[in-house]
Parts: sequence; structure tokens; C-alpha cells
Amino acid sequence: DTGVSQNPRHKITKRGQNVTFRCDPISEHNRLYWYRQTLGQGPEFLTYFQNEAQLEKSRLLSDRFSAERPKGSFSTLEIQRTEQGDSAMYLCASSQLQGAWQYFGPGTRLTVT
Amino acid sequence: KNEVEQSPQNLTAQEGEFITINCSYSVGISALHWLQQHPGGGIVSLFMLSSGKKKHGRLIATINIQEKHSSLHITASHPRDSAVYICAVKSGWFYFGTGTSLTVIP
Repeated sequence: DTGVSQNPRHKITKRGQNVTFRCDPISEHNRLYWYRQTLGQGPEFLTYFQNEAQLEKSRLLSDRFSAERPKGSFSTLEIQRTEQGDSAMYLCASSQLQGAWQYFGPGTRLTVT
Repeated sequence: KNEVEQSPQNLTAQEGEFITINCSYSVGISALHWLQQHPGGGIVSLFMLSSGKKKHGRLIATINIQEKHSSLHITASHPRDSAVYICAVKSGWFYFGTGTSLTVIP
């Protein structure tokens, strides 16, 4: 499978714990995006990378959230001190060029209890 | 008020019907995407538009930059078209509509 993959697919954690998600984009794509989607809403943009550089961050990305793409390939999204409001689907997408077709991964569903 | 508004929110159609989903946005954009999301969360990009019209199979997408409006049309709808269709625009950030849930009944 050469699409975008995300791991884990599901994560249940207790409030206050830290969680980390991973996204593996399509190999030749230099842009990688993170989105968050809550039930009944469209995805909300969180941040994106061009190669290893984080170029944009949404105001939604609080200090508890950090994303990295150290080698310009896979990316990780970490949430520290999780809160119940962090429960959502976290989606990753990748593309080759600015504004080009984005390929979405299956998402990681986070439940904070 | 959301930067991207879609209508209708829910749509039920009989197989074979012509379907239109509308998207209006309030910001200047560099591109507009139509996305399809199936149950379980998987999202597929259908179209990226910056002007005019694009067609892929039974799907047609149009955009009017002056009116800040786009439409997604599905001709000869089929039950496998049942999904949530999301309009998204890039304007600095990426903004998404809340989606239109389409159910096509055999």
C-alpha cells in the first residue's frame, strides 16, 4: 500500500497523559498536513510541513501540541497533558506541491477519558 | 460564522437523480477542494479548483470566484455515492465546511 498511513488507528488515554501519533506520507510528497476533526464537523487545519520545516501553525495548536518531521519523511504529533476536549479524529494528508491534490490518511481516533 | 458554508447539510436522493451540493466561502482563496469522506473517516480528494469547471466521470465541480461559490454535481447518482462531501478552501489557513451527508437510495 503506497498511500498515507497513520498509527495508531485508535487511541484511548486518560486525561493528563501524553500521546503521540505517527503519519507516514506518500514517499515522494514533500508537504505534510495535520488536521483535527470532531464529530459532525469538518476537519480543522492544525499545521503543515514542507520537507522538515514547519511552515504554518493554526491558532488551534496550543502549547500542549507539538509536531515534528525530523527527516522530511514521517511526522509525529504529540499532545501533552491530554484533555477531554482533545478527543477527535486526527487526520494526516500529504501532497507534492503547494495547493495540489492532498491524499488523506485513515486518521487516528483519540478518546480521552 | 464559518468561513465556509455548505448546503444542504443532509441530502437523500433516489438512485439516478442529479445531485447538487453548494459551497459558499467568505475569504479570498488560492484553491478550493471537494473531498469525499466515507464512514470510518477515510477522506478522498475529488477535485481541486481555482477557476472554471472540472469533470471526472459522473462528478462535475464548478467555481465562481467573483461570487465566492462552488458547486459539486453528481449525475446519475448511485448508492455507492453515499458519503459526506466536504468543501475546503485554502486562504492562508485551510478552512473546511461541515460537510453534506448524502444518502442515495436504490
